[in-house]
Amino acid sequence: KAGVTQTPRYLIKTRGQQVTLSCSPISGHRSVSWYQQTPGQGLQFLFEYFSETQRNKGNFPGRFSGRQFSNSRSEMNVSTLELGDSALYLCASRRTSGGQNNEQFFGPGTRLTVL
Amino acid sequence: AQSVAQPEDQVNVAEGNPLTVKCTYSVSGNPYLFWYVQYPNRGLQFLLKYITGDNLVKGSYGFEAEFNKSQTSFHLKKPSALVSDSALYFCAVRDGGNMLTFGGGTRLMVKP
Repeated sequence: KAGVTQTPRYLIKTRGQQVTLSCSPISGHRSVSWYQQTPGQGLQFLFEYFSETQRNKGNFPGRFSGRQFSNSRSEMNVSTLELGDSALYLCASRRTSGGQNNEQFFGPGTRLTVL
Repeated sequence: AQSVAQPEDQVNVAEGNPLTVKCTYSVSGNPYLFWYVQYPNRGLQFLLKYITGDNLVKGSYGFEAEFNKSQTSFHLKKPSALVSDSALYFCAVRDGGNMLTFGGGTRLMVKP
């Protein structure tokens, strides 16, 4: 079974631009979560989508948004990029939203560099 | 609010020796605890989890973790370290909801 895939793997943008990252979950998984990883802040939760609906949201500004499609694929968008948005963005999928026996599986991440 | 602390930024151990990576947590309600490992330029790989049951949880690659409710700890252990175990390790907690809260990570260095 294929794992979580993220595209692109690397991205370079300039301040003020916007960017869209894509995540394809493991087949059969309907929940997709996004995390930001930076050396200073560590791993921080951005949001979770399940059945095309945002279920949870972390403490990030409105410039960060996402969506999920009917095939469970998810996209994350960051508008008006700032230097501090440079990070590894990780996507994780799991079968359902909630529940005990339901760990997340992570993709390889998209490394975003903002110049 | 839930939180996770990994008190050591780095742990150094010689190959063949036992290793321990420490984790303490704070959560209201029953904790769901996880360990993940991250290799350079890779995403996080799931190692093991504690949901309920035995306090000693066995996971991938020979790793195990001990849940201690009174000390609110979930330390990761391995009896004999390998050089290939060198990586960044993250402890995480999830309460009854869906969000994982991660610790700051501990870099494990295993020297030959």
